[in-house]
Amino acid sequence: DAGVTQSPTHLIKTRGQQVTLRCSPKSGHDTVSWYQQALGQGPQFIFQYYEEEERQRGNFPDRFSGHQFPNYSSELNVNALLLGDSALYLCASSPPGTGGNEQFFGPGTRLTVL
Amino acid sequence: AQSVTQLDSHVSVSEGTPVLLRCNYSSSYSPSLFWYVQHPNKGLQLLLKYTSAATLVKGINGFEAEFKKSETSFHLTKPSAHMSDAAEYFCVVTSGYNKLIFGAGTRLAVHP
Repeated sequence: DAGVTQSPTHLIKTRGQQVTLRCSPKSGHDTVSWYQQALGQGPQFIFQYYEEEERQRGNFPDRFSGHQFPNYSSELNVNALLLGDSALYLCASSPPGTGGNEQFFGPGTRLTVL
Repeated sequence: AQSVTQLDSHVSVSEGTPVLLRCNYSSSYSPSLFWYVQHPNKGLQLLLKYTSAATLVKGINGFEAEFKKSETSFHLTKPSAHMSDAAEYFCVVTSGYNKLIFGAGTRLAVHP
């Protein structure tokens, strides 16, 4: 049983560019959450998708947007990249009916903005 | 609002000695609490979770944590550290539906 997978593993972009990160949840999971982890810090919640809708959002600007597909996979898009967007981006999935009690994390995508 | 404070940014122990990683939480309702571990270049792995059942929670790899409402604490312990326990540990509280609030992390070093 494959866990949460993310692609790409690493990414280098320049300021002002746009980036798309991808996530496939664990089999049977229907909810996907995205987190940003800056170097030396704990992950910060970006947003969560359920039934192809953004259900909850953290304190991130509108430059951060996302999408969930019918197969529950998800994308995170970041526009107009800033140096401060350099971080590890983590995707987590949750099984149905858990009420947020357990999230399974992928290995992350390391984004570097130059 | 929900939050967690990890009281130590770094903890260093010798192999075979006990581990104590401290966490205090703040929550306006009965929280769910977790400990996650992150090894270098690896994803986050759930160690254990508290969801209003038993206050002493046992997790993987010999770790356990005790929920103390009167002290708003959820400290992580292990009787005997192993070299493979060296990693970053995060205390986490739920906030809203499926939203996790992470502490700043505690880096555990284990010396031979």
